[in-house]
Amino acid sequence: GAVVSQHPSWVICKSGTSVKIECRSLDFQATTMFWYRQFPKQSLMLMATSNEGSKATYEQGVEKDKFLINHASLTLSTLTVTSAHPEDSSFYICSAPIGYNEQFFGPGTRLTVL
Amino acid sequence: GQSLEQPSEVTAVEGAIVQINCTYQTSGFYGLSWYQQHDGGAPTFLSYNGLDGLEETGRFSSFLSRSDSYGYLLLQELQMKDSASYFCAVGLYNQGGKLIFGQGTELSVKP
Repeated sequence: GAVVSQHPSWVICKSGTSVKIECRSLDFQATTMFWYRQFPKQSLMLMATSNEGSKATYEQGVEKDKFLINHASLTLSTLTVTSAHPEDSSFYICSAPIGYNEQFFGPGTRLTVL
Repeated sequence: GQSLEQPSEVTAVEGAIVQINCTYQTSGFYGLSWYQQHDGGAPTFLSYNGLDGLEETGRFSSFLSRSDSYGYLLLQELQMKDSASYFCAVGLYNQGGKLIFGQGTELSVKP
């Protein structure tokens, strides 16, 4: 099956710093990728849709200036959490769709902001 | 808007059969998917129903009834490794594969 990687798998940073998370489709091209955030014992909340060659589409309530998304190629999307604060600590997961019925998820990035 | 309802927790014993229900309020979707997520891991695709009826994949089966706005995931011959969270999700029309997830059901399999 298709493989999606994420890097880093975990990161600890100080409040006020920016953190970049990479999401790569390893064996297929993805014109669209999705970024989710998941708090403990909760569901996956879609943050934004990353579109290759164009601006990302953000879900309601997600600050686009805080969560910068860049989809520079057909295999790479990046999420940058700018000026991170403790409340941004979460599990961030990307995914890439195959057709309309299946998404392949990356292994996730656990962000801890001190 | 769209919403999907699932039970928050289910407990069963090894070897048993368990059904996780998903009711939804949405329109214009391609189908109902199910994902499994172990603690600390990424969700993995289990099953998909584009049409009404039952889909079987090994020990797992999934069902969809669009007229009842209802679906379920059936897990047979439960194993300890099946302890995980299970999410139903709908793929929305004309949104490039975008999925909306239910709140998830935490399944605990006891010996």
